[in-house]
Amino acid sequence: DTAVSQTPKYLVTQMGNDKSIKCEQNLGHDTMYWYKQDSKKFLKIMFSYNNKELIINETVPNRFSPKSPDKAHLNLHINSLELGDSAVYFCASSPGPGNTIYFGEGSWLTVV
Amino acid sequence: GEDVEQSLFLSVREGDSSVINCTYTDSSSTYLYWYKQEPGAGLQLLTYIFSNMDMKQDQRLTVLLNKKDKHLSLRIADTQTGDSAIYFCAELYGNNRLAFGKGNQVVVIP
Repeated sequence: DTAVSQTPKYLVTQMGNDKSIKCEQNLGHDTMYWYKQDSKKFLKIMFSYNNKELIINETVPNRFSPKSPDKAHLNLHINSLELGDSAVYFCASSPGPGNTIYFGEGSWLTVV
Repeated sequence: GEDVEQSLFLSVREGDSSVINCTYTDSSSTYLYWYKQEPGAGLQLLTYIFSNMDMKQDQRLTVLLNKKDKHLSLRIADTQTGDSAIYFCAELYGNNRLAFGKGNQVVVIP
């Protein structure tokens, strides 16, 4: 049973397209995140939601819009994809502030 | 943002010990973590240490924390080929966010 699951795992798409990555956690956690890992393997937080409310938005372009329909799901929609959006996007969850953060397997996005 | 520094590459023979080092900046960090990323795979939480501890041992893994120097290390005893991966240290700060180091690639030579 995967605790934090994301789909799709691999996504290749053309510039200008709109795409979504979905994430679900079955851990009963209140907090969910999106992190981005660039081509140099550097990991940086993008967004965090706590009980469906946005609590962290780290200077991410407006083309990125997270949506949390309930506390077990956090989806990431990206409009007008650019070459520089190619990266691995990791979803994560935690019980709340001060607790360990668990990551999904990642979604490899390639924009061509 | 927070700044977490790691060295980039380590080559080690199978059966030897590996030591990976990391420095962090936020003295108020509550937890410090080590994550492992195998090629093409996600981030696996290896171990963590609470900031009021000096050492934590978990099977082949030993974490040492020097709060004065803001230095964190991970020792892997009896390194196996399956330990080949990138290892990230991370500090938990601010609104429950993680700041990651740049990662340390460990290559285990059979």
